[in-house]
Amino acid sequence: GQNIDQPTEMTATEGAIVQINCTYQTSGFNGLFWYQQHAGEAPTFLSYNVLDGLEEKGRFSSFLSRSKGYSYLLLKELQMKDSASYLCAAMDSNYQLIWGAGTKLIIKP
Amino acid sequence: GAVVSQHPSWVICKSGTSVKIECRSLDFQATTMFWYRQFPKQSLMLMATSNEGSKATYEQGVEKDKFLINHASLTLSTLTVTSAHPEDSSFYICSARGQDVPAFSYEQYFGPGTRLTVT
Repeated sequence: GQNIDQPTEMTATEGAIVQINCTYQTSGFNGLFWYQQHAGEAPTFLSYNVLDGLEEKGRFSSFLSRSKGYSYLLLKELQMKDSASYLCAAMDSNYQLIWGAGTKLIIKP
Repeated sequence: GAVVSQHPSWVICKSGTSVKIECRSLDFQATTMFWYRQFPKQSLMLMATSNEGSKATYEQGVEKDKFLINHASLTLSTLTVTSAHPEDSSFYICSARGQDVPAFSYEQYFGPGTRLTVT
């Protein structure tokens, strides 16, 4: 079956660094997405990885290891506005997104 | 670019009535649109996938006669919740995917969502 696993909740301190992990099992693989979702709002795109390695985009970076079925989202210099849910989604061979349950990130001052 | 709108943003209706939610891609042609439902503190649940001009493909457990989806054009898809009940109260989000948008062809662009409350 197809499955995405990510932690339910994480807590971090303002200014610090946090890494949100995601493991996936899909029928075929066409890339991995990370989305940010604030409460009551729709998800917004953060990153897309299809090749192994680290993609850096400002304070956010995303890493992929296809052989391990593993990705992480790294958030640096955390700000209070980064408090949100972070959704990991893998694209299968039919180009359908398989969604994780999301990781709620709580930032404390 | 790649903006998706939804209307209405919130709606309250009485049990037994029907509600129509519109999803529009404003600046690209959406060959595929997706409808999701999200309950509080839960992740997105895909309800159905629709391709322009063809019937929607519903996920297991989603009643196609209750959740009518129409994707009549490359910029508009509608979801009609028929005979709504309180348990249908949820956050409904559409997303669209097109082949002529920049960045990633298979990225989904999300609408702002519609909060439905059935009393």
